[in-house]
Amino acid sequence: DTGVSQDPRHKITKRGQNVTFRCDPISEHNRLYWYRQTLGQGPEFLTYFQNEAQLEKSRLLSDRFSAERPKGSFSTLEIQRTEQGDSAMYLCASSLEASETYEQYFGPGTRLTVT
Amino acid sequence: DAKTTQPPSMDCAEGRAANLPCNHSTISGNEYVYWYRQIHSQGPQYIIHGLKNNETNEMASLIITEDRKSSTLILPHATLRDTAVYYCIVRVMGMRFGAGTRLTVKP
Repeated sequence: DTGVSQDPRHKITKRGQNVTFRCDPISEHNRLYWYRQTLGQGPEFLTYFQNEAQLEKSRLLSDRFSAERPKGSFSTLEIQRTEQGDSAMYLCASSLEASETYEQYFGPGTRLTVT
Repeated sequence: DAKTTQPPSMDCAEGRAANLPCNHSTISGNEYVYWYRQIHSQGPQYIIHGLKNNETNEMASLIITEDRKSSTLILPHATLRDTAVYYCIVRVMGMRFGAGTRLTVKP
């Protein structure tokens, strides 16, 4: 399967713990995006990378959140000192840089539950 | 950022056309209109996009008004598997999803 993959699919953690999620984009895609989605809401943009450069961060991405894409391939999203409000689905998407269009392909998401 | 407005929910009979409207009155001249859908517990799925002209692909048709302030996604023959939340988006990088329209296709 050559789609976007995310690991783990589910994560349960206690408040105050750190968690890290991984996203593997479609291999030739140089853009990678992170979103967060809570129940009943549409996905909220967090950040995106072009190759290894992080080009935009939403104000939703607090100091406890950090994302990396060290070699321009896979990406990690770390949440430090998790809070119950961090419980959500974390979605990753990738796209291929093109002149006009930026169709994004989404992974299945990582569902985080903070207890 | 250009905002979009969609009805929160719609019903459609199986086999009939589903017409999903979207208002984007503040769209800029170079912003595309994108449609995605999200079936329960899955990541969003790209459907179609357009700039000025109407577009059609194997999944749907997109009708954009001449002033580009609104658009309509058309699923020509809706099936039960088309039940999903449909999002209309006009921001490309770091897409800003709204709440979308929950389409329920009924037998």
